[in-house]
This record gives sequence, structure tokens and C-alpha cells, in this order.
Amino acid sequence: DVKVTQSSRYLVKRTGEKVFLECVQDMDHENMFWYRQDPGLGLRLIYFSYDVKMKEKGDIPEGYSVSREKKERFSLILESASTNQTSMYLCASSPNPAGGYNEQFFGPGTRLTVL
Amino acid sequence: AQSVSQHNHHVILSEAASLELGCNYSYGGTVNLFWYVQYPGQHLQLLLKYFSGDPLVKGIKGFEAEFIKSKFSFNLRKPSVQWSDTAEYFCAVKMDTGRRALTFGSGTRLQVQP
Repeated sequence: DVKVTQSSRYLVKRTGEKVFLECVQDMDHENMFWYRQDPGLGLRLIYFSYDVKMKEKGDIPEGYSVSREKKERFSLILESASTNQTSMYLCASSPNPAGGYNEQFFGPGTRLTVL
Repeated sequence: AQSVSQHNHHVILSEAASLELGCNYSYGGTVNLFWYVQYPGQHLQLLLKYFSGDPLVKGIKGFEAEFIKSKFSFNLRKPSVQWSDTAEYFCAVKMDTGRRALTFGSGTRLQVQP
């Protein structure tokens, strides 16, 4: 089974702190994604990466950055956390769509609270 | 911009009732379609998917969905819901625009009363 793990299930940080959220997948997937999930808004894409050291902005990248130094690991960084970044953060991975398959596999999520 | 709409935000049903959750998308090109489910306290998991072929797709736990291209819809159905179906359901679309990520709807919270 594909396994996507996230470093923390719950995290509490203070405004202005630098926050690192880590995600690891064990299926050698090329693509990795960070979403945030908010009630009534569904999942919104923050950033994704299609290869090591490659990244593209999603729909809401402001206030976030990412790092992908190794294929299996994709980090989300909040440079200076703010209260409006309190949310559930979901990491996902998927293989390249050579066969036309784009199913994404999700981690358990990190619920971040910024005080 | 392309979007995915789920018009039912919160649905309450009694056990054994039939379920239909709507999903519409705004894109005229080729799409791959997904329904994901998130049970309370659990991670998102795939319920079913459509890539091509028969527009009626069967998934896990008795769910099915029908792709109607002319209506840009991919509605989720189940003939008889159970209390264990209480969850949040998300429709997602992969559009052939070159964007690798899925576009998700806002989700529908289903509450099944025993």
C-alpha cells in the first residue's frame, strides 16, 4: 500500500514563528502536493513538485514556500506564521500520468493552530 | 478559471435512504474524475474514479457515480446509506490543461442518522 506520512498530527505555533511541515511518501512517486483544507472551502492547492528541486505554485502560495531535496520528501514552510494560516494541511503524492492515471494518495494531515 | 462545484454542503439522511451528491465542473476538455471520502478522524481516501469508457463507475462500499459529459457532471450515488457512511465527500477533477494537480470541490458533509 502507498503510504504518505506527515511529521505531526497537531501543531501549535505562535505568530511570527517559522514553521516546517514534513511529508514523506514511500512509493517513489514523482509528484507531491501540499493542500490546505478549510471548512466550506474544500482543498486548495498551495504548492506542488513534479521532481526533485522542482516546484510550482498552486492556487494560494502566498506566505508559504516548499523544499524538495529528495524524491520521497516534500516540506512546506511557513516563513512567518500568521493566525490566518490556522488550518488543516494535507500532503499528497501521485505517480506520473504516463498511463493517464492521476490518483493522489493522501497523508493523515497536520492540524496547525497559530496563536 | 476552471472550477468544481458541490452544491450540497450538508446532507442529513436516515439509514436506508438513498443518496445522491452533486458534482459539476466547468471545463470543456478531457477530464479524469474522482470522489474522495474523509471519515471522521481519518485521512482522505479514494472512493471511485473515472478515466474513460463506461460512464457508470462503481466504487468501494456500494457507491457509484455517473459521468454525464453533456452536463459536466459526476454525481455520486448509493441506493441505501448506512450510519458508517457519515463522512465528508469531495469531488475532484483532473483537467487536461497541463496542471498536474486535482481541482477539488468544497465538499459535502453527510450525516446519517440511525
